[in-house]
Amino acid sequence: KAGVTQTPRYLIKTRGQQVTLSCSPISGHRSVSWYQQTPGQGLQFLFEYFSETQRNKGNFPGRFSGRQFSNSRSEMNVSTLELGDSALYLCASSLEAGEGGYTFGSGTRLTVV
Amino acid sequence: AQTVTQSQPEMSVQEAETVTLSCTYDTSESDYYLFWYKQPPSRQMILVIRQEAYKQQNATENRFSVNFQKAAKSFSLKISDSQLGDAAMYFCAYSSNYQLIWGAGTKLIIKP
Repeated sequence: KAGVTQTPRYLIKTRGQQVTLSCSPISGHRSVSWYQQTPGQGLQFLFEYFSETQRNKGNFPGRFSGRQFSNSRSEMNVSTLELGDSALYLCASSLEAGEGGYTFGSGTRLTVV
Repeated sequence: AQTVTQSQPEMSVQEAETVTLSCTYDTSESDYYLFWYKQPPSRQMILVIRQEAYKQQNATENRFSVNFQKAAKSFSLKISDSQLGDAAMYFCAYSSNYQLIWGAGTKLIIKP
């Protein structure tokens, strides 16, 4: 059974640019959530989608957005990149509301220069 | 505010010995799930063990077990017979409103 696939693994962008990260969940999982991990702030929740609907959103500026497609794949977009957006972005999938635990992808390492 | 506190930034243990990682949390909810995740240098976040708050019995997964004290809001992880492959960052988290709320992590070092 394939795991959670995140692409790309690494990304280098310039300040002011925008970026799109992709996440393909485990087959059958309908919930996809996104987290930002930085040395200073730790792990912070970005948003969660279930059946194409955003059920919860973390405390991030509007430059951070996401969506989920009918096949449960999800994308997150960051516009007008800032140096502080440099982080590891983790995607997690679960069946419903995560009671059974969340399965994580390997993450996308975004560096903003 | 919902918070998770891991008071030990770093722990070290001799190979084959037992180590306990601490975690406390603060929530007003009565029904929730608690997790321990492991993140090795490969950065893949791996689920170690989960606990349902309404279950009194402590969860166990092979060498990993928890001590769940609901009234004290404490959720510690015990690793028995520590192995070199256990070296990683360990994060405690609980689920609320479709998100995981995380502790700051404990770096576990295994001495051969």
